[in-house]
Amino acid sequence: DVKVTQSSRYLVKRTGEKVFLECVQDMDHENMFWYRQDPGLGLRLIYFSYDVKMKEKGDIPEGYSVSREKKERFSLILESASTNQTSMYLCASSFPASGGANEQYFGPGTRLTVT
Amino acid sequence: DQQVKQNSPSLSVQEGRISILNCDYTNSMFDYFLWYKKYPAEGPTFLISISSIKDKNEDGRFTVFLNKSAKHLSLHIVPSQPGDSAVYFCAASAQGAQKLVFGQGTRLTINP
Repeated sequence: DVKVTQSSRYLVKRTGEKVFLECVQDMDHENMFWYRQDPGLGLRLIYFSYDVKMKEKGDIPEGYSVSREKKERFSLILESASTNQTSMYLCASSFPASGGANEQYFGPGTRLTVT
Repeated sequence: DQQVKQNSPSLSVQEGRISILNCDYTNSMFDYFLWYKKYPAEGPTFLISISSIKDKNEDGRFTVFLNKSAKHLSLHIVPSQPGDSAVYFCAASAQGAQKLVFGQGTRLTINP
């Protein structure tokens, strides 16, 4: 079974703090993704990585950065947290898409509240 | 620009009846479609998928239908069970693309 784990289920941070969200997968997947989920907006892609040290911006990268130093680990960084970054953050991983099939496996999510 | 749209934010169905969740897309390059199910405080889990070379795919109580000319897909759940109450997301990808594009989600409630 694929396992994607996220470092925290719930986090409360203050405005202006630097926040690290960690994600680890154990299936040797090349691709890793960070999404945020907000009511009525679905899952929006923040950043993704298709290899170690490689990253690409998603749809909403402003205010975020990422780091992928090892294949199994993908970190999301909020340099200076703001209240509009209060959200559910979801990490996912997958093998490279081939012939269409590119199912992503998700972690349990981190509910981040910025006060 | 929302390329994948789920126009019904919520749906309520009686236990034992059929649940039909709909999804529309605008990008004609999409050729692979997936449905995910999400319970509160958990990550989404993969449910069923369909390639654009098919118009139907079944897995137990779940069937996905694809109408390419209308750029529309639907998920049928028969019979609906209380454990099916969750948020359902449809997603799409284009050939060779590594990313999925998700819809806004539909909250399904199954009433006893």
